[in-house]
Amino acid sequence: ETGVTQTPRHLVMGMTNKKSLKCEQHLGHNAMYWYKQSAKKPLELMFVYNFKEQTENNSVPSRFSPECPNSSHLFLHLHTLQPEDSALYLCASSQEGTGRNEQFFGPGTRLTVL
Amino acid sequence: RKEVEQDPGPFNVPEGATVAFNCTYSNSASQSFFWYRQDCRKEPKLLMSVYSSGNEDGRFTAQLNRASQYISLLIRDSKLSDSATYLCVVNNQAGTALIFGKGTTLSVSS
Repeated sequence: ETGVTQTPRHLVMGMTNKKSLKCEQHLGHNAMYWYKQSAKKPLELMFVYNFKEQTENNSVPSRFSPECPNSSHLFLHLHTLQPEDSALYLCASSQEGTGRNEQFFGPGTRLTVL
Repeated sequence: RKEVEQDPGPFNVPEGATVAFNCTYSNSASQSFFWYRQDCRKEPKLLMSVYSSGNEDGRFTAQLNRASQYISLLIRDSKLSDSATYLCVVNNQAGTALIFGKGTTLSVSS
């Protein structure tokens, strides 16, 4: 498998559910990211992990909890979400230290919160 | 001023046309610049990096004007398959993350 993969591709959940999004990168990169893309809005950076350490948290509500067990895997744990959290959640990876920071995206998880 | 600003369009052009997209950014310390392409309901994909001297990749030409904090993308001989949203992207002040514009939508028709 190549590139960046994400599962599930689609998720419908109630506000009281707990679910997790999974991302895996097969590019040998050392940095991974979670983004949120809502309709009519630009991509919003949520979290950055560099060498497995969280380096940025863009004021994301605590109902979103990231986990990065190693440089290839990234999770986003979801609990007690709100309907306005419905969006496309994109994972990306890059190789830090090259000076360019080109990021490669997974296909995303389309989340609907009822 | 928004961090990255683009004309949302849509740009509706016939096949074979030349079309140009513009983008301005607010952080004068930005060092990395990119154009990404996003098809409907798909993830963004890197189209090309933008270098200070300008660069070309086939029908696509990217230009950077640091003094004006302005980036452009020129598409020559448009194809139907060029229809997509084009995202202007710059890195943040710390160089740790990318800031995305809202995108410019292009529709190429036959």
